[in-house]
Amino acid sequence: EPEVTQTPSHQVTQMGQEVILRCVPISNHLYFYWYRQILGQKVEFLVSFYNNEISEKSEIFDDQFSVERPDGSNFTLKIRSTKLEDSAMYFCASSVKAEQPQHFGDGTRLSIL
Amino acid sequence: DQQVKQNSPSLSVQEGRISILNCDYTNSMFDYFLWYKKYPAEGPTFLISISSIKDKNEDGRFTVFLNKSAKHLSLHIVPSQPGDSAVYFCAASVPSGTYKYIFGTGTRLKVLA
Repeated sequence: EPEVTQTPSHQVTQMGQEVILRCVPISNHLYFYWYRQILGQKVEFLVSFYNNEISEKSEIFDDQFSVERPDGSNFTLKIRSTKLEDSAMYFCASSVKAEQPQHFGDGTRLSIL
Repeated sequence: DQQVKQNSPSLSVQEGRISILNCDYTNSMFDYFLWYKKYPAEGPTFLISISSIKDKNEDGRFTVFLNKSAKHLSLHIVPSQPGDSAVYFCAASVPSGTYKYIFGTGTRLKVLA
């Protein structure tokens, strides 16, 4: 069964450094998402992406965050200058259509030191 | 943000019996609901969904019930199996362009052999 793949599984970064989290969505999916889960808290929506542009973003997704689909298969989340509070599990998800269930990757654990 | 609530953090059930997981929501604009299962170190796995125009949806051992007047949904697993032991999240979305999901806090189900 096709799946969403995320790399790396764990990323450790110094505060203030840039980090790029990578995702390969399922190949025929058109809608792409990033969510995050801070330890002990809910899974929270960050951003959705369709037709090569951001469709919706949450309050969390400020100017330090950006997303890109550079080559038609990868979908990346970049954090320009990481803060301690960015430490979380980051999940990528994709769906065929907006109204179809989203399928999630196994996440990247981001640890900011 | 308490729009989707799962008031039981954990539930233990004997193998072969029914597991009932509950979820309440406050936003009457939600029109699509889903249940996800999550094992440790993995991403959420889609289980079953229901549209607000229905009150029941069944898929094998899993049935989701929706009570719109009470703003309540439940997931029934019959019969429960040890492999069902995981954290279960309910999620809801509004019919916006991208269907971002609002998640509950999760219920940890333990099925005892």
